[in-house]
Amino acid sequence: GQQVMQIPQYQHVQEGEDFTTYCNSSTTLSNIQWYKQRPGGHPVFLIQLVKSGEVKKQKRLTFQFGEAKKNSSLHITATQTTDVGTYFCAGPGSARQLTFGSGTQLTVLP
Amino acid sequence: SQTIHQWPATLVQPVGSPLSLECTVEGTSNPNLYWYRQAAGRGLQLLFYSVGIGQISSEVPQNLSASRPQDRQFILSSKKLLLSDSGFYLCAWSVRTTLNTEAFFGQGTRLTVV
Repeated sequence: GQQVMQIPQYQHVQEGEDFTTYCNSSTTLSNIQWYKQRPGGHPVFLIQLVKSGEVKKQKRLTFQFGEAKKNSSLHITATQTTDVGTYFCAGPGSARQLTFGSGTQLTVLP
Repeated sequence: SQTIHQWPATLVQPVGSPLSLECTVEGTSNPNLYWYRQAAGRGLQLLFYSVGIGQISSEVPQNLSASRPQDRQFILSSKKLLLSDSGFYLCAWSVRTTLNTEAFFGQGTRLTVV
């Protein structure tokens, strides 16, 4: 079945540094979603990418969908302590069920 | 507006005891419903998903079962809990369309099996 791998598993950055997490799928995805989970909280939807090569921005966050629609990335510019949390990508499975990547846990050191 | 309710928030259960977690969605009809489990510091493992009443798909063989007795009600159960069932259980819903839409999560249930 479809697998969504995410790297790195953990990332510690100094406040103000950039951060990137990568998501790779074993199969072509019709779309990919990104979620953020704050410590102790539940995942919250950030964005959905649908088109090949699509790039979307939300303030300091930049999301990309690969040309082959098998990979995606989330880049945060100049991290802040409010960016702390775990970032997940998620893609549709064979029956369109939502399958999550393993997540990247971001720690921002002040 | 749509809301999702999940309870209880925390639960401590002895090994071998039964489990019933309930999730209800308001403000929408015919949602896709999901149960995920998250071990401490780990990713989200899809346990069950449902596209309609009585329609349950299981992603992994395990000690758990799910039921959808009503359109907006999703229940996760176990007859006998194992220590390995401890974790953070999350219910989620999404709009049922031909394309994926965002999933909305409940607040989660932290289950500790002792």
